[in-house]
Amino acid sequence: DTAVSQTPKYLVTQMGNDKSIKCEQNLGHDTMYWYKQDSKKFLKIMFSYNNKELIINETVPNRFSPKSPDKAHLNLHINSLELGDSAVYFCASSQDATEAYGYTFGSGTRLTVV
Amino acid sequence: SQQGEEDPQALSIQEGENATMNCSYKTSINNLQWYRQNSGRGLVHLILIRSNEREKHSGRLRVTLDTSKKSSSLLITASRAADTASYFCASLDSNYQLIWGAGTKLIIKP
Repeated sequence: DTAVSQTPKYLVTQMGNDKSIKCEQNLGHDTMYWYKQDSKKFLKIMFSYNNKELIINETVPNRFSPKSPDKAHLNLHINSLELGDSAVYFCASSQDATEAYGYTFGSGTRLTVV
Repeated sequence: SQQGEEDPQALSIQEGENATMNCSYKTSINNLQWYRQNSGRGLVHLILIRSNEREKHSGRLRVTLDTSKKSSSLLITASRAADTASYFCASLDSNYQLIWGAGTKLIIKP
């Protein structure tokens, strides 16, 4: 059973389009995250939700909007895609917001904007 | 978010040798975590060491923590080709924010 699953795995789209990435975890964790990993492998947190409530919202363009319908799901919607949005996006979950037990990561979504 | 530091940036060794990676951080921490990322895959949690611990083992992995120097090291003994991956440290600061290192790319040559 996949613990944190995100779809799609690959996404190629044109500038200006709107796209969504979905994430689901079956671990019963309270907290979920979206990370962006750039071409230099730097990991940057974007958002964090704890029990469907937004708790971390780093400086991210408001074209990015997370949505958490329940604590097992955290989706990422991106409007008006730009070339600079090309990256690998990782969803992750942790037992609680203290992050004291380590994260479980999804396998990533490679977004390419052309 | 601020970035921790890891060195070396890249490390290439022969299979069977030991690999050591270092991580430094800036603030006081609750714990420090190490993750592995295989090419094109997500990160996998390897080991967590708490701020009151100095050394921890898990299989061929040994992690040390020196809070006076604000540094940690990950030692992989008897390396195997399957250990080829990028390794990231992440320190959990007193605000429960996870600060990530830039990663060390490890290549194990057969």
